[in-house]
Amino acid sequence: QKEVEQNSGPLSVPEGAIASLNCTYSDRGSQSFFWYRQYSGKSPELIMSIYSNGDKEDGRFTAQLNKASQYVSLLIRDSQPSDSATYLCAVGTGRRALTFGSGTRLQVQP
Amino acid sequence: NAGVTQTPKFQVLKTGQSMTLQCAQDMNHNSMYWYRQDPGMGLRLIYYSASEGTTDKGEVPNGYNVSRLNKREFSLRLESAAPSQTSVYFCASSDWGQGKETQYFGPGTRLLVL
Repeated sequence: QKEVEQNSGPLSVPEGAIASLNCTYSDRGSQSFFWYRQYSGKSPELIMSIYSNGDKEDGRFTAQLNKASQYVSLLIRDSQPSDSATYLCAVGTGRRALTFGSGTRLQVQP
Repeated sequence: NAGVTQTPKFQVLKTGQSMTLQCAQDMNHNSMYWYRQDPGMGLRLIYYSASEGTTDKGEVPNGYNVSRLNKREFSLRLESAAPSQTSVYFCASSDWGQGKETQYFGPGTRLLVL
């Protein structure tokens, strides 16, 4: 079992819709959770971090964490074509390194 | 601030050749990391340095060596390149402790081994 699992996609949504990206992790001791966005040919950039159960909102982005279910998600409201990218989920387990999922490719159709 | 810088941006090697990938950060971070990214595989940790003077193996360390030269610089060496090492290599840095461990990535080095 992979430590961090994501559906590879592509996830295709129409412009203006809500995109929902999901991630599960295997280590119950995980303490920190991150969503990175990566455009084709570019390096990953941080979108959101979340440490406690519940929701965290930042503009059009909402991260949701459920430690009991070992599940973290990212919602993108009012999706734009510029949101088309690969979204990487990363989990911190306390060993001073993050474990990344393989990413979900999002396509926002104009 | 330049953030995290990497050199070279692109390199072609022949099997058996050696090379060193350079990484530097100007954010005064304690921890630095080397990842490789292959299609469909996400980011896989090669080596990391939690603090100056320490290095630890990650998920895929075979065929690589690292040096934490000082707090700013962390290099990755391929002693005898193999076609399986064709990949995009990213360096990253961070601090540690809750709220601080966001990793910041360099622009990447694209390596082709023939």
